[in-house]
Amino acid sequence: GAVVSQHPSRVICKSGTSVKIECRSLDFQATTMFWYRQFPKKSLMLMATSNEGSKATYEQGVEKDKFLINHASLTLSTLTVTSAHPEDSSFYICSARDGLVGDTQYFGPGTRLTVL
Amino acid sequence: GENVEQHPSTLSVQEGDSAVIKCTYSDSASNYFPWYKQELGKRPQLIIDIRSNVGEKKDQRIAVTLNKTAKHFSLHITETQPEDSAVYFCAALGRGYQKVTFGTGTKLQVIP
Repeated sequence: GAVVSQHPSRVICKSGTSVKIECRSLDFQATTMFWYRQFPKKSLMLMATSNEGSKATYEQGVEKDKFLINHASLTLSTLTVTSAHPEDSSFYICSARDGLVGDTQYFGPGTRLTVL
Repeated sequence: GENVEQHPSTLSVQEGDSAVIKCTYSDSASNYFPWYKQELGKRPQLIIDIRSNVGEKKDQRIAVTLNKTAKHFSLHITETQPEDSAVYFCAALGRGYQKVTFGTGTKLQVIP
């Protein structure tokens, strides 16, 4: 099946620093990737939709300048949390859709971000 | 936009019993309905999906039914096992839409 990797799996940083999270589709080309944020015991909250070669589409209430998304190739999308604060601490998960196959989204393993 | 509601939020069953999770959606144009299982600290895993051109799909102990008229779909797990314990999310994807809308999740506990 389709495999999506995410790196790092866990990161701890100081308040005010920036953190980059990578999402890769390993065995398929992902024309569309999605970034989610998940709070404990809560559902997946879509942050943005990323299409290769174009600007990401952000959901209402998500700050574009704080959560920078780049989808430079068909197998890689990155999320950069800029000037991180403790309230940004969360579980960030990406997913990718194999444009050749259809609608199914495959999720990465997630990144646990802790901002001190 | 699409709105997906999911019930119940928690569900406890005895091992061997069946579990049913129900979801409703608002957009009649939605045509793809996946179900994901998420264990604590892990990624959501697709367990079954159904498209709007069929009413039921089964894969071993898991089945999903879809009622397009009523705009609801359900997940059925038979002969539950302790390893079925997890959070389950339903989702809906509208025709022509890119993004999937997730339900709020159901925490299933299978008691040995």
